Amino acid sequence: DAGITQSPRHKVTETGTPVTLRCHQTENHRYMYWYRQDPGHGLRLIHYSYGVKDTDKGEVSDGYSVSRSKTEDFLLTLESATSSQTSVYFCAITGTGGPYGYTFGSGTRLTVV
Amino acid sequence: QQQVKQSPQSLIVQKGGISIINCAYENTAFDYFPWYQQFPGKGPALLIAIRPDVSEKKEGRFTISFNKSAKQFSLHIMDSQPGDSATYFCAASPAGGTSYGKLTFGQGTILTVHP
Repeated sequence: DAGITQSPRHKVTETGTPVTLRCHQTENHRYMYWYRQDPGHGLRLIHYSYGVKDTDKGEVSDGYSVSRSKTEDFLLTLESATSSQTSVYFCAITGTGGPYGYTFGSGTRLTVV
Repeated sequence: QQQVKQSPQSLIVQKGGISIINCAYENTAFDYFPWYQQFPGKGPALLIAIRPDVSEKKEGRFTISFNKSAKQFSLHIMDSQPGDSATYFCAASPAGGTSYGKLTFGQGTILTVHP
């Protein structure tokens, strides 16, 4: 999908363990976002980044942290996974910083047991 | 607080029919209203978008109608086809400020078009 890759695509983990999801882009876009998708809630913003080492919280950031040490990589970490974090996670990128031209990755399906 | 409310949750339409999905928003700072289409196992993809300075935008079989005073907008899919079967999300974003670039999504509508 337009130079954006998420890994892993699927993961099953146990409650209480840390988990890191990776978003990698080859578009050299400045802005990157992590959303989670849940039935009945649409997509909700977790964290976003507006540059290397520049990140901020979104609507549902509790229990999540992010890091961006390189333009191309944006990592989402679940510090201690809980069953409520079972979800599909999407990364998105945009070069403008605005809402235009959003490109989403194919998602990571995470199951916490 | 859900700032964008979408209905219906699911919709079944016969081939050739018109599919209509509605969204309502609360935040008057919203200035950009896109619709996304999502197929199973894929990320959402931009379908069509509108700014509040126009009341309607058409691209092929897809039309957005926008009512600023009612704070509502809708997606119309004319001559619906089985290939249109997907989940559709409305979304909204403010024009500027610290929330610029952050999309608020509706809950989604699962559209099924029967042949």
